[in-house]
Amino acid sequence: ETGVTQSPTHLIKTRGQQVTLRCSSQSGHNTVSWYQQALGQGPQFIFQYYREEENGRGNFPPRFSGLQFPNYSSELNVNALELDDSALYLCASSFGGDEKLFFGSGTQLSVL
Amino acid sequence: RKEVEQDPGPFNVPEGATVAFNCTYSNSASQSFFWYRQDCRKEPKLLMSVYSSGNEDGRFTAQLNRASQYISLLIRDSKLSDSATYLCAVIRLDTGRRALTFGSGTRLQVQP
Repeated sequence: ETGVTQSPTHLIKTRGQQVTLRCSSQSGHNTVSWYQQALGQGPQFIFQYYREEENGRGNFPPRFSGLQFPNYSSELNVNALELDDSALYLCASSFGGDEKLFFGSGTQLSVL
Repeated sequence: RKEVEQDPGPFNVPEGATVAFNCTYSNSASQSFFWYRQDCRKEPKLLMSVYSSGNEDGRFTAQLNRASQYISLLIRDSKLSDSATYLCAVIRLDTGRRALTFGSGTRLQVQP
């Protein structure tokens, strides 16, 4: 167990809806990264938060947004859901610039 | 061209076999290299970092060839429990953020 927890584990939404996914980082970790993994693909970097500020973003549209809270937990929000947003969403925590990431078990999002 | 490329496989090998995977990366600014293991729709777990001098962890050996821009993973004496998808990942120096770029993974099936 990595100590990184994500909720919910599974979610079904319809096109156009909005979704919020949550992540609690491992104790002592102040950096949270979010990744999207479509079926048959590797995880793709969405964005990273460090000390409550966005600290880098991948090639995702603005309808993907996030937050990090003072306790370093984090949320990923996706607005105006599209069918292609169906994927496993992974949260990973780390301490500062440490390159070793610890992944949560993910949220499987299905958009119908 | 994808930034990180892997042969998707599957590689079907008998127990006890030796199997090797390669992963090529296109950006010469890539700085750090990793192999992750992912079981079916679960979170990726760090298998090993890859160092310029090569490194070994039990039955697993990882190597980096900067000149040809590829990394490799060798698994000796394959076990049934090695069946999984192996993801290579790199961190680029030029983006200013420590985000992993993953390949699509290579699937390994070890058969009795």
